Amino acid sequence: DTEVTQTPKHLVMGMTNKKSLKCEQHMGHRAMYWYKQKAKKPPELMFVYSYEKLSINESVPSRFSPECPNSSLLNLHLHALQPEDSALYLCASSQVSLSGTDTQYFGPGTRLTVL
Amino acid sequence: GQSLEQPSEVTAVEGAIVQINCTYQTSGFYGLSWYQQHDGGAPTFLSYNALDGLEETGRFSSFLSRSDSYGYLLLQELQMKDSASYFCAVRDTGANNLFFGTGTRLTVIP
Repeated sequence: DTEVTQTPKHLVMGMTNKKSLKCEQHMGHRAMYWYKQKAKKPPELMFVYSYEKLSINESVPSRFSPECPNSSLLNLHLHALQPEDSALYLCASSQVSLSGTDTQYFGPGTRLTVL
Repeated sequence: GQSLEQPSEVTAVEGAIVQINCTYQTSGFYGLSWYQQHDGGAPTFLSYNALDGLEETGRFSSFLSRSDSYGYLLLQELQMKDSASYFCAVRDTGANNLFFGTGTRLTVIP
């Protein structure tokens, strides 16, 4: 199984709402990632979890709150978002490797629209 | 910091060969990866070069020159389904994250 699943596929929320994005993988990967991608732009790294611990936070605003409850699940909690946060949110997973050969497997993403 | 530059758009004819270039400036370097992303889809891994030279995987090949901080993706026998965005990416030394290039939109025409 080389699949990363994400729910929901689409999400529309107001600026006062609280919502969560979910990501799951069963490949035994111990590194999981959140990326944000705007139209016609490359994915931008937001957070990295390694062995369920947050290892990288790329100066993301606190209205985005990641959580890694176990080695298979990754959540992104959203609160008080702004319209400019509308984007495709991608989850990925990989082996933890020092050699640089760890392929990242991406989920299909959640298309988020903030009104 | 990291900087990876790619041409923004490339158009090629079905059955032809196309090369997508990537030049990079990075503080650390653990090899160059290539990912394909169709509209509305997820990025999918295509190839990885850690050492100089050419890596071949079916119709796709990837090349790296570390001394020139340059790589390319070569797509042969183009098919309509190859129309997609292609990203080169590097991994930070000692870290586990990928930094993506600016992306190249490939359009294959009949």
